[in-house]
Amino acid sequence: KAGVTQTPRYLIKTRGQQVTLSCSPISGHRSVSWYQQTPGQGLQFLFEYFSETQRNKGNFPGRFSGRQFSNSRSEMNVSTLELGDSALYLCASRSPLAGSADTQYFGPGTRLTVL
Amino acid sequence: GENVEQHPSTLSVQEGDSAVIKCTYSDSASNYFPWYKQELGKRPQLIIDIRSNVGEKKDQRIAVTLNKTAKHFSLHITETQPEDSAVYFCAGAATYSSASKIIFGSGTRLSIRP
Repeated sequence: KAGVTQTPRYLIKTRGQQVTLSCSPISGHRSVSWYQQTPGQGLQFLFEYFSETQRNKGNFPGRFSGRQFSNSRSEMNVSTLELGDSALYLCASRSPLAGSADTQYFGPGTRLTVL
Repeated sequence: GENVEQHPSTLSVQEGDSAVIKCTYSDSASNYFPWYKQELGKRPQLIIDIRSNVGEKKDQRIAVTLNKTAKHFSLHITETQPEDSAVYFCAGAATYSSASKIIFGSGTRLSIRP
């Protein structure tokens, strides 16, 4: 099976712009979670989607939003970008109905730089 | 709110020696504790995990222990090798079939000295 894929891999934006990141989970995985990784803050949970519904949300402002499509692909949107949003954004998929329901598989990430 | 504390933040050990990384969690509902290894420029990869109904789990040179009463869990790497150099993240999660919320520790940068 192909792994989790993310596009684009690199992105440069300026303050005030918005950005949309995409994540395609492993085939058959219906859960997608998003994380922000920064050198100082580690891996911070943004939200999880399952069957097109947000099931859990981390402590991020409303500028961070997401959605999931019927094919389980997910997008994350950040509006009104700030310098502090520069980070590696990782998505992870899992298969809640499988034996290893808890195991998350990460994508390669999207490196977002805000200038 | 929920928190996972990880120590130490950096660790340097001689090749062949053992390395231990410790984590504590605050959420009593946590029932799943994965450990991820992230090499430079790569994605985090699951190396071992443990569930709350188990006290210890071992996979070759890697072992994880869990003390639910104290809310502590630890990663043990024996006979360390250069390829063990990476950042290691612990995590605590309360998982259910359709939802999970995983809280990661801040990471430990492990360096293996030749």
